[in-house]
Amino acid sequence: DTAVSQTPKYLVTQMGNDKSIKCEQNLGHDTMYWYKQDSKKFLKIMFSYNNKELIINETVPNRFSPKSPDKAHLNLHINSLELGDSAVYFCASSPGLAGGGYEQYFGPGTRLTVT
Amino acid sequence: GENVEQHPSTLSVQEGDSAVIKCTYSDSASNYFPWYKQELGKRPQLIIDIRSNVGEKKDQRIAVTLNKTAKHFSLHITETQPEDSAVYFCAASPVEDTGNQFYFGTGTSLTVIP
Repeated sequence: DTAVSQTPKYLVTQMGNDKSIKCEQNLGHDTMYWYKQDSKKFLKIMFSYNNKELIINETVPNRFSPKSPDKAHLNLHINSLELGDSAVYFCASSPGLAGGGYEQYFGPGTRLTVT
Repeated sequence: GENVEQHPSTLSVQEGDSAVIKCTYSDSASNYFPWYKQELGKRPQLIIDIRSNVGEKKDQRIAVTLNKTAKHFSLHITETQPEDSAVYFCAASPVEDTGNQFYFGTGTSLTVIP
């Protein structure tokens, strides 16, 4: 019954490794997002997709590569992990574009720790 | 682009008192203003929202007010309870289709002291 799910919930890895985080929503939404929340709790938008098309690509290092195989999935792959990548990553979905005033439904988050 | 400022960053109140969190925005094209609550270790969840054609909205102990002229909006929580302790985020969303994002404030950590 989970609306937006992410795997894994926790991810501990060493610097230089490559890792992926998966996100799935079963709400039938058209739009999905990736956010990064650092230790200061600030929610920073990273990417947004609408109907599998990339809409937003904020100033994120190109080591981060999103991929949306279909409307229900948005995965995040991170190459050459760095200490500064340690954060909680949230996936979110909404029925339409943010400008339409739609609620965003967040996943449970993935806590990434790079050692 | 839009810039949302949120104050205060931390807020402590006694149980039963009221709490007010304020946000300002810069883009007059913003027309949707949600508030999200994030409990410790949990995901952000929408608690209330307001659109630019409305000045105030209430939902039980929570209310949001919007002043379009001054470009600010506020969250009011009355009769606070310990379970209201969380981080609260305001956000603004412009009308245009190309800018598909919420512009979040920096968050307010609210502690309700029993």
